Amino acid sequence: DGGITQSPKYLFRKEGQNVTLSCEQNLNHDAMYWYRQDPGQGLRLIYYSQIVNDFQKGDIAEGYSVSREKKESFPLTVTSAQKNPTAFYLCASTKGGLQPQHFGDGTRLSIL
Amino acid sequence: KQEVTQIPAALSVPEGENLVLNCSFTDSAIYNLQWFRQDPGKGLTSLLLIQSSQREQTSGRLNASLDKSSGRSTLYIAASQPGDSATYLCAGHHRSNDYKLSFGAGTTVTVRA
Repeated sequence: DGGITQSPKYLFRKEGQNVTLSCEQNLNHDAMYWYRQDPGQGLRLIYYSQIVNDFQKGDIAEGYSVSREKKESFPLTVTSAQKNPTAFYLCASTKGGLQPQHFGDGTRLSIL
Repeated sequence: KQEVTQIPAALSVPEGENLVLNCSFTDSAIYNLQWFRQDPGKGLTSLLLIQSSQREQTSGRLNASLDKSSGRSTLYIAASQPGDSATYLCAGHHRSNDYKLSFGAGTTVTVRA
């Protein structure tokens, strides 16, 4: 079955450490997205990519970085510059910008 | 910037009652609108997508309507069941946000058996 796989499900970060969240899709979708979800708030866009080797900043990109070397993969790195990284991170993909978005099951990041 | 409001934030109903969830946008120039379901600790599952030329979509016990003139959408769930307990989020594509999705914070629904 086609879908989006996020790993790990839970992740812990130490002070000053960079961590990378994985997102893989086998839906043959061109566009991929990273969102952050905090309690009581809507999803906020971190980065998105509409095509391989290209990506754009979303509304809250500071302290995060991404790469899009393959169509299937869009990893997110939470750097030490992100001072409040504790949140639920969701990856999504779509055929094109205005098509329905499909989501993975998320990664919950916490601080040690 | 686009603001999306979902009212109420939480809702508890007895099994069998119909559910009405509301979503409103500050910018009514919406292109399309999507309703999602989120179970605790899980990702989002798409329920319904209303395209720009449509006013409503139906899937089983779910019906979603979109009133572009007022910038409002409503999700109806008929004859609720305990399995409908989840958080429901709406999201819209707006020209003012470069057609990226703007999300509401969601309505958390509890259906009591």
